[in-house]
Amino acid sequence: GDSVTQMEGPVTLSEEAFLTINCTYTATGYPSLFWYVQYPGEGLQLLLKATKADDKGSNKGFEATYRKETTSFHLEKGSVQVSDSAVYFCALSDEGYSTLTFGKGTMLLVSP
Amino acid sequence: AAGVIQSPRHLMKEKRETATLKCYPIPRHDTVYWYQQGPGQDPQFLISFYEKMQSDKGSIPDRFSAQQFSDYHSELNMSSLELGDSALYFCASSFSVRDGGTDTQYFGPGTRLTVL
Repeated sequence: GDSVTQMEGPVTLSEEAFLTINCTYTATGYPSLFWYVQYPGEGLQLLLKATKADDKGSNKGFEATYRKETTSFHLEKGSVQVSDSAVYFCALSDEGYSTLTFGKGTMLLVSP
Repeated sequence: AAGVIQSPRHLMKEKRETATLKCYPIPRHDTVYWYQQGPGQDPQFLISFYEKMQSDKGSIPDRFSAQQFSDYHSELNMSSLELGDSALYFCASSFSVRDGGTDTQYFGPGTRLTVL
């Protein structure tokens, strides 16, 4: 079945540091890929998405590129802020289905 | 922009009681999904509806049922509550590709259910 594997957290960074959160996936079809963010005590917010190979999703300084050859969708940001502290979930929806399969989530903690 | 609305935001019940969670999708969205997120866990898909018909089913216990109404809002009914049902329950909605949308799911703020 489909699965998503994310690097374990917490990831602890200082403000303005470079961020990478690794995400790899297994899918039977040709999935769409997503990053969702969950701030403390809140719901899931769509951060970015990509629907085909080599697509780059971007939003609020975050980027992720759909790499079919390595089945990866790593999240990056050049300079993190304290306000980026949250849990980040990588997810996929397989071809022909809408249901999301999530990774375990990676907590990001950014200190001033 | 309008978002997904869930009510109540917090709910406290005793074991063996019944709970009803409500979800109001984004206007024009025709598909509703329910997810359960246990403490420190990733969201797990429960069930989804497209145009008021069940479209997919995940790990939803038999004690739970759900439906989507003519105005597209959805309700998740949970009976014989157990301690392990304590979780955050998310509703998400999307505009199906079958109707010209993108299937991207937008989540509500969740209902935190605590079973005592």
